[in-house]
Amino acid sequence: NAGVTQTPKFQVLKTGQSMTLQCAQDMNHEYMSWYRQDPGMGLRLIHYSVGAGITDQGEVPNGYNVSRSTTEDFPLRLLSAAPSQTSVYFCASSQTGGQTYEQYFGPGTRLTVT
Amino acid sequence: AQSVAQPEDQVNVAEGNPLTVKCTYSVSGNPYLFWYVQYPNRGLQFLLKYITGDNLVKGSYGFEAEFNKSQTSFHLKKPSALVSDSALYFCAVRDDAGNMLTFGGGTRLMVKP
Repeated sequence: NAGVTQTPKFQVLKTGQSMTLQCAQDMNHEYMSWYRQDPGMGLRLIHYSVGAGITDQGEVPNGYNVSRSTTEDFPLRLLSAAPSQTSVYFCASSQTGGQTYEQYFGPGTRLTVT
Repeated sequence: AQSVAQPEDQVNVAEGNPLTVKCTYSVSGNPYLFWYVQYPNRGLQFLLKYITGDNLVKGSYGFEAEFNKSQTSFHLKKPSALVSDSALYFCAVRDDAGNMLTFGGGTRLMVKP
């Protein structure tokens, strides 16, 4: 199994540009999520999904959109990039069923907005 | 709202010595607690979790964690540190519904030969 894959690994955007960060998993996990990692702040949840067709907001959803049309894929869209969105983005997945399952993380996308 | 605190930005230990990385949490309802490790330029890897049962939880790579309900703590420990344990460690708590995982700010562990 490839686990959780993310593309691209690196991206530089200009302010105002839009883009989509791709995330896919091959473990048939129902739950998927997006986090951003900033120095000293740990990881903060952006959006999550408990299954195909179902998404919800996390702690820091503003400026981001998600959709979940299949179990495998969970893309994250930046609508109009801002320098404050410069960060490292991680996608994660886990079995559904709530509290007991650990999450599997992708390798991350390092995004710079100039 | 739930929260996690990791009071030390960095912990320094000598190889072969025991290590402790501290974590305290706040959550309504039952706590579901996790430790993850991040090596440079990598995603997070799961180390161990506390769901219920014994307060001492054993995980990967010789790590263990002690759950203390009265002190709302979940400290990560290892009896004998290795240089290869040097990494960034995150404590996290999951809410009752299981949908949101809240992370602490992370603690950098430096193990010196």
